[in-house]
Amino acid sequence: SQQGEEDPQALSIQEGENATMNCSYKTSINNLQWYRQNSGRGLVHLILIRSNEREKHSGRLRVTLDTSKKSSSLLITASRAADTASYFCATDYSSASKIIFGSGTRLSIRP
Amino acid sequence: ETGVTQTPRHLVMGMTNKKSLKCEQHLGHNAMYWYKQSAKKPLELMFVYSLEERVENNSVPSRFSPECPNSSHLFLHLHTLQPEDSALYLCASSQDSQGAYEQYFGPGTRLTVT
Repeated sequence: SQQGEEDPQALSIQEGENATMNCSYKTSINNLQWYRQNSGRGLVHLILIRSNEREKHSGRLRVTLDTSKKSSSLLITASRAADTASYFCATDYSSASKIIFGSGTRLSIRP
Repeated sequence: ETGVTQTPRHLVMGMTNKKSLKCEQHLGHNAMYWYKQSAKKPLELMFVYSLEERVENNSVPSRFSPECPNSSHLFLHLHTLQPEDSALYLCASSQDSQGAYEQYFGPGTRLTVT
């Protein structure tokens, strides 16, 4: 399977702390995307990072990409209760004409 | 509001019923997708349409039948479903189907098969 793997599967942190989630993938990619899903709702796109980029920022989100290790990380700084959600990486493999979603990380922010 | 709407939001149907899920996108995108999301399983891509032509069919049982009458509308026709088909069905759209662009998701239809 070419599915990306998120790590950890679940993460619980105190409000105000930083949250880091990782995604590993199998073969070369064109880009990698991160999505958020609140319970029982649709996914919301967060950031797209292309294979020739190493880091991207969007507000409190920072995404890094290490193509030599075939991995990406999503950092959420100064977490808030509203950040409680599942986070998915989706990889656009060079060998496929579609993006493939990982199984996700469930993030819980404790007040 | 992502620009992708889905109806109904909740659906309960018996195994002998026939029903349809509807998706509409207001973003001018050329590609539309159906996904199935079951508890504790990864998001499963079911069908992909590009400019109203089906370009992907991931070995989905024939009891699921997609229809894309134009680039803004996508349907999923359901008949003789099984209890294991109970899941959240998500529709998405993107500028094209090649994976280079982000996907915009609807809120989903929560389907329960009794």
